[in-house]
Amino acid sequence: DTAVSQTPKYLVTQMGNDKSIKCEQNLGHDTMYWYKQDSKKFLKIMFSYNNKELIINETVPNRFSPKSPDKAHLNLHINSLELGDSAVYFCASSTPSGQGNSPLHFGNGTRLTVT
Amino acid sequence: ILNVEQSPQSLHVQEGDSTNFTCSFPSSNFYALHWYRWETAKSPEALFVMTLNGDEKKKGRISATLNTKEGYSYLYIKGSQPEDSATYLCASFRSYNTDKLIFGTGTRLQVFP
Repeated sequence: DTAVSQTPKYLVTQMGNDKSIKCEQNLGHDTMYWYKQDSKKFLKIMFSYNNKELIINETVPNRFSPKSPDKAHLNLHINSLELGDSAVYFCASSTPSGQGNSPLHFGNGTRLTVT
Repeated sequence: ILNVEQSPQSLHVQEGDSTNFTCSFPSSNFYALHWYRWETAKSPEALFVMTLNGDEKKKGRISATLNTKEGYSYLYIKGSQPEDSATYLCASFRSYNTDKLIFGTGTRLQVFP
C-alpha cells in the first residue's frame, strides 16, 4: 500500500488554466507538506499543514492555494497557471508535528508542464 | 554558511569502492540533520535523522556522522554497489517550531559495475 500518494503523476495544461493536485497519506501523520523541485533541482518548501491548519506559507504566489479537508489529505490548487509553474511538485508527511527529528515521507511527485 | 550545501555535486565510482560526501549547514540554531536517498523516478526516502553532535548512524553499508558545532555531516558508503546509484540529499532543520527543512541540491552518485 502506498503511504503517500499523489495524483495525477503527470499534468500537462495550458497557461491560464486552473488545476489541482491531490495528496493523501495513510500513515496517520499530523503534518503534511508541499515541496516544489525547481529548475536547479532544489526541493523548496511551499506549504506545511498541521492537523488541517496552515503552519508555513513560503512566499508562494497566492495563485497557489492548499486545501486540507482532513489531516490525511492536502490538495494543491493552482489558479491561472503560468509557464514558470512548470516543475515537479512533491507532497510529504511527517509526525509528530513541530519536531525536526521526524523524517519526511514523500509521494512520487507530480510533473506539471504548462504550455 | 547560510544555506545547506553539498559536495561534490556528482560522483562516479567503481563497484566495490568506498566513497563519502559532505553536507554543510548553518550551525546556529541547529536542531536536526536529515539524509535522504533519491533514486531516479522515485521519491526521496529517509536514511537518517541526526540531532546530537558527534552522532554516528549506520544502515547496512551506509553511515553518517554529524558535527553540529562546525556545521557539517559526512555520508559514507562502504563497498559501493550499482544499486547505490542515486542522489543523496541532506536537509537541515534549524528552528523547533516552524517544521521547516532546508534541502541541499544533493550529490548524484553513479556506481559503475
